[in-house]
Amino acid sequence: EDQVTQSPEALRLQEGESSSLNCSYTVSGLRGLFWYRQDPGKGPEFLFTLYSAGEEKEKERLKATLTKKESFLHITAPKPEDSATYLCAVQIDDYKLSFGAGTTVTVRA
Amino acid sequence: NAGVTQTPKFQVLKTGQSMTLQCAQDMNHEYMSWYRQDPGMGLRLIHYSVGAGITDQGEVPNGYNVSRSTTEDFPLRLLSAAPSQTSVYFCASSIGGYQPQHFGDGTRLSIL
Repeated sequence: EDQVTQSPEALRLQEGESSSLNCSYTVSGLRGLFWYRQDPGKGPEFLFTLYSAGEEKEKERLKATLTKKESFLHITAPKPEDSATYLCAVQIDDYKLSFGAGTTVTVRA
Repeated sequence: NAGVTQTPKFQVLKTGQSMTLQCAQDMNHEYMSWYRQDPGMGLRLIHYSVGAGITDQGEVPNGYNVSRSTTEDFPLRLLSAAPSQTSVYFCASSIGGYQPQHFGDGTRLSIL
């Protein structure tokens, strides 16, 4: 069965304290892995797509990496505005995504 | 740009009532989908559509109905509301499969 597991469930950081979020998946034949950011009361907002092991994408303080079994979202020197829930999703067929439960990141000033 | 618009934002229903959640997109996207989000769980796919006139079931379709008569609109109907359908519902659209999805801001639905 296709599964996506995110860890930790919650992460509390001090401003400037870098850390990483994990997304592990069990999918036969990865077709794509997506990272989204979700603010309270809002819909998910697209961040990155990764398609093959070794691929990396970067945007401001965020960097996503991909291996054959997992993806990491690295947050470098986070600011309070990086506080959000980060969702990982794996493409399991042509039209369906399987989402993880998310990691809620809180960055304190 | 409006993107994906969902209405209403909040709704309270009684068990057994029916209602329609509206979703519209102005990006000319062929693919549209409905998800529900519950605490501690990932977004779960209810139904999806790959174009006008074409719909298919997702992971949790029971108790929900959809239709796609135009490219822009993809309403979700609850046939007979049950407390287990209390959730936040998100509509999303994309150019096609394998492409990033654009989400609306959700409808928060409570069923008493």
